Amino acid sequence: DAKTTQPPSMDCAEGRAANLPCNHSTISGNEYVYWYRQIHSQGPQYIIHGLKNNETNEMASLIITEDRKSSTLILPHATLRDTAVYYCIVRSFSTGGFKTIFGAGTRLFVKA
Amino acid sequence: NAGVTQTPKFQVLKTGQSMTLQCAQDMNHEYMSWYRQDPGMGLRLIHYSVGAGITDQGEVPNGYNVSRSTTEDFPLRLLSAAPSQTSVYFCASRSTGSDYGYTFGSGTRLTVV
Repeated sequence: DAKTTQPPSMDCAEGRAANLPCNHSTISGNEYVYWYRQIHSQGPQYIIHGLKNNETNEMASLIITEDRKSSTLILPHATLRDTAVYYCIVRSFSTGGFKTIFGAGTRLFVKA
Repeated sequence: NAGVTQTPKFQVLKTGQSMTLQCAQDMNHEYMSWYRQDPGMGLRLIHYSVGAGITDQGEVPNGYNVSRSTTEDFPLRLLSAAPSQTSVYFCASRSTGSDYGYTFGSGTRLTVV
């Protein structure tokens, strides 16, 4: 599975959009982009995933560039409860994602 | 529907002791995995299973054993605990019928003294 690069930390003002970037320049055609988040010491939580089209759900939006080498997770109206570590992962769905490997992630601080 | 249940939540072991961390899921998920997370670090994959009777090693398997005799349960055994195994352990599961992500348990915080 392709590796990802994320900034170690970011700040965001409460109520503003939080845009978390992820670089996955070695992504291959059958690999999906997944995002999880981990709030404090809880277990990680699945947020969203996509292949090449932009995706939106009740938690966030995922924007994938046309060449698929990078993506951005958007939390449209960040709240203090969105303070967490956000992980970007790419994996091949065809292999079933047996070995889902987490990197260091981005620590997002939402400030009042 | 309880999701992924891990027991115990906290455990203190002496060096050399053995123990089993329990993980159970009631969602009929085929895939299950164990991760460890050291303070201030990301998650590292220990072992994973793609179904009953099938397991394989992850990134950091040494010192741990797993088995998968049923779909529901995926216990993690520490054979001879070492201080380097002090960590938070997370179990996760996912269905093959969905491309959604893993569901994680709430973790077991293990300290080896």
